[in-house]
Amino acid sequence: NAGVMQNPRHLVRRRGQEARLRCSPMKGHSHVYWYRQLPEEGLKFMVYLQKENIIDESGMPKERFSAEFPKEGPSILRIQQVVRGDSAAYFCASSSGEYTGELFFGEGSRLTVL
Amino acid sequence: AQSVTQLDSHVSVSEGTPVLLRCNYSSSYSPSLFWYVQHPNKGLQLLLKYTSAATLVKGINGFEAEFKKSETSFHLTKPSAHMSDAAEYFCVVSALDNAGNMLTFGGGTRLMVKP
Repeated sequence: NAGVMQNPRHLVRRRGQEARLRCSPMKGHSHVYWYRQLPEEGLKFMVYLQKENIIDESGMPKERFSAEFPKEGPSILRIQQVVRGDSAAYFCASSSGEYTGELFFGEGSRLTVL
Repeated sequence: AQSVTQLDSHVSVSEGTPVLLRCNYSSSYSPSLFWYVQHPNKGLQLLLKYTSAATLVKGINGFEAEFKKSETSFHLTKPSAHMSDAAEYFCVVSALDNAGNMLTFGGGTRLMVKP
């Protein structure tokens, strides 16, 4: 009965390095969402993906950030050339796609940029 | 466009006393509303949701919320706080015209429970 699995839970990178965050949705879910939570703030929507498709990336920064959800394997959020401002908790959520409004969240990946 | 305002960033109560976490929303369309709870270093868990059925919604752990359209509010309440209720609470709105399940989060309210 695995829920949404995110890894790594904690990631430390130096400025200019790349960060890759992975998310495996709940079994049977084909919709994945990424949110970012800055310290002392709420969650901000980044991107919504279905298998092999980006449905909405209106919350993604225009540069350095990308996301994918391949036919096989987890969804990946990739941040290139990280800067200190990228330090945050990144949460993945999944849904079955039916409109229930309920998303199931992972425990987050906490990125620290030195 | 839609937005959510949680009126208090921090709320402190004593164990056994009532909890009130305030939330106001704005939405161009009939919204669905949710409360999520986040314990330290954990993901978010759904407490309850309103999706145009009964305006008084009961959730897990004794929490409930009332949808008041005239006041555009969706306040979260609990009659008696437990120590385990100490967490961050997020009010969330999702409008029916959105493509997919895109949610707009409030800034969060940190609930502290004193013994």
